[in-house]
Amino acid sequence: EVQLVESGGGFVQPGGSLRLSCAASGFTFSGFSMNWVRQAPGKGLEWVASINYDGSQKYYADSVKGRFTLSRDNAKNSVFLQMNSLRVEDTALYYCAKQGLASGDYDHWGQGALVTVSS
Amino acid sequence: QAVVTQEPSLTVSPGGTVTLTCGSSTGTVTSSHYPCWFQQKPGQAPRNQIFNTNKKHSWTPARFSGSLLGGKAALTLSGAQPEDEADYYCLLSYSGAQVFGGGTKLTVL
Repeated sequence: EVQLVESGGGFVQPGGSLRLSCAASGFTFSGFSMNWVRQAPGKGLEWVASINYDGSQKYYADSVKGRFTLSRDNAKNSVFLQMNSLRVEDTALYYCAKQGLASGDYDHWGQGALVTVSS
Repeated sequence: QAVVTQEPSLTVSPGGTVTLTCGSSTGTVTSSHYPCWFQQKPGQAPRNQIFNTNKKHSWTPARFSGSLLGGKAALTLSGAQPEDEADYYCLLSYSGAQVFGGGTKLTVL
């Protein structure tokens, strides 16, 4: 059974940093792209970033480019989202999602990690 | 980045048919945008029902179908059930970057 478990969320002041982790199990982690999607309270889904199977290609939403960095450790079956220069508008539930057979095919999701940015 | 547009809300009668659409600010949506459709119910993570325009997962009910229609991606629900009431989001791919639409709140009433 595929499982994705996010951790590292919490409360941080504007300008601060957090590092989210997503631990994966139940599939060959090194064979799949991984993604982060966020959802602000009461709002819609926003794609944040994607990383391909070996970490050689990374893509970011304009809203986080230059502030967030995505990485993965295939030996530890984990993907990480380093978030710097956090803003109030980054407050959201951050989901880790596994990509399946095609681009955008997020076939499995974690339950999310809550990030709150507030003074 | 591109803006992806969806109907904010739609209502369908039980047993009825409804089509949700997904447009792109860059122009016609094609299969190269790999349109996907996600269903999200309150308090739950999203669930991918349609990917790559019209492909279904093993868990996707047969009443859901995806297509390209009038320059947009479309999700058609034929024979709506009460459990289909949810928010639906489309996702389009733009050469690596991806963009969600604003979501459609579907009411089955």
